Amino acid sequence: DTGVSQDPRHKITKRGQNVTFRCDPISEHNRLYWYRQTLGQGPEFLTYFQNEAQLEKSRLLSDRFSAERPKGSFSTLEIQRTEQGDSAMYLCASSFRAGGTDTQYFGPGTRLTVL
Amino acid sequence: EDQVTQSPEALRLQEGESSSLNCSYTVSGLRGLFWYRQDPGKGPEFLFTLYSAGEEKEKERLKATLTKKESFLHITAPKPEDSATYLCAVLYSGGYQKVTFGTGTKLQVIP
Repeated sequence: DTGVSQDPRHKITKRGQNVTFRCDPISEHNRLYWYRQTLGQGPEFLTYFQNEAQLEKSRLLSDRFSAERPKGSFSTLEIQRTEQGDSAMYLCASSFRAGGTDTQYFGPGTRLTVL
Repeated sequence: EDQVTQSPEALRLQEGESSSLNCSYTVSGLRGLFWYRQDPGKGPEFLFTLYSAGEEKEKERLKATLTKKESFLHITAPKPEDSATYLCAVLYSGGYQKVTFGTGTKLQVIP
């Protein structure tokens, strides 16, 4: 199956360390999104790529966060100098632009725990 | 300001007891309303996209409807495997490609 995949599924790190997550979208999907979800809340938008271009960034995405999507394929989300408040589920989604509205399909998420 | 509000926060049903979940939205220029199902520790699973008022979509025991201010997810004769959190999300003009989610309704179906 060619669903959205994310790696790793779980990450435990110490405060101050850097972490990097990877997302592989559904093949031929040209749009890719990152969200963050904390317990009891809905996913919150972080950033969005169309092909390799990062077109939108949320104010939630502080300077410690950076995302890339080289060659418009997989994407990475890096968090530098992690803080305990960064503990959350990080979700990746992808979609294919077909008209004005496209449906986003989500991956299984990466659960980050910052000690 | 909440743009997407879901109610109730939690719902407990007996197996076979039909009910509805509500999603109200205050955005203007709705481009799409989405329903997702999320199991604990997993990513949201796509269920439906609704585009305009009056539209309805069905899948097995689930039926989603849309008006100009809200959407309903009707669950007919639910089974324990329908237990999950149901998330509503909207895409609207001015939000670019950002989908805004509600906080979800946690459904528990008791055998």
